[in-house]
Amino acid sequence: SQQGEEDPQALSIQEGENATMNCSYKTSINNLQWYRQNSGRGLVHLILIRSNEREKHSGRLRVTLDTSKKSSSLLITASRAADTASYFCATGSIQGAQKLVFGQGTRLTINP
Amino acid sequence: GAGVSQSPSNKVTEKGKDVELRCDPISGHTALYWYRQSLGQGLEFLIYFQGNSAPDKSGLPSDRFSAERTGGSVSTLTIQRTQQEDSAVYLCASSLIVTSEAFFGQGTRLTVV
Repeated sequence: SQQGEEDPQALSIQEGENATMNCSYKTSINNLQWYRQNSGRGLVHLILIRSNEREKHSGRLRVTLDTSKKSSSLLITASRAADTASYFCATGSIQGAQKLVFGQGTRLTINP
Repeated sequence: GAGVSQSPSNKVTEKGKDVELRCDPISGHTALYWYRQSLGQGLEFLIYFQGNSAPDKSGLPSDRFSAERTGGSVSTLTIQRTQQEDSAVYLCASSLIVTSEAFFGQGTRLTVV
């Protein structure tokens, strides 16, 4: 079963606007990661936030983590057409199998 | 190598044939993952190797699927007696240690006709 679940499944916004995607998970985690996928091929790592961190920034990306609610959000500010892609969260559990488990992803479309 | 390499990039096979998909991880990475992604869907975990530990095969959908990792490096995913529902993109990833940042290959698009 999937550990992470992204919300919404699809998001369409105008260029320049901010995009927010959410991820919920079920078990205790070591860290949570966000990835981007263009054109249905390889994923690119964006950012990793550890379980003892609450917020992290990287360029136009801002990630928050609320372990009490088992949820994370990814904010992309000042969106660009090149940000059009699918975004996935992945969790690394601290219990049992520690493999990375991915959610179903959010399909983000930036309209010019 | 510079990144994770997968071969072939595309594979078309007839139903009932066996196929082998190859993954060359980044040198020194102890963890190696295989995932499957159907069109427009998320990543389905298949199998995970970590160092010399027994692989986690919990995601393999049937006994037609198997994988090995030789010498802690190259991995091969084998699908026997392929079925049309096996058509998907098969993605390999490696990471330095378990649950750290994963680096993905470009995938193998498998089409079973």
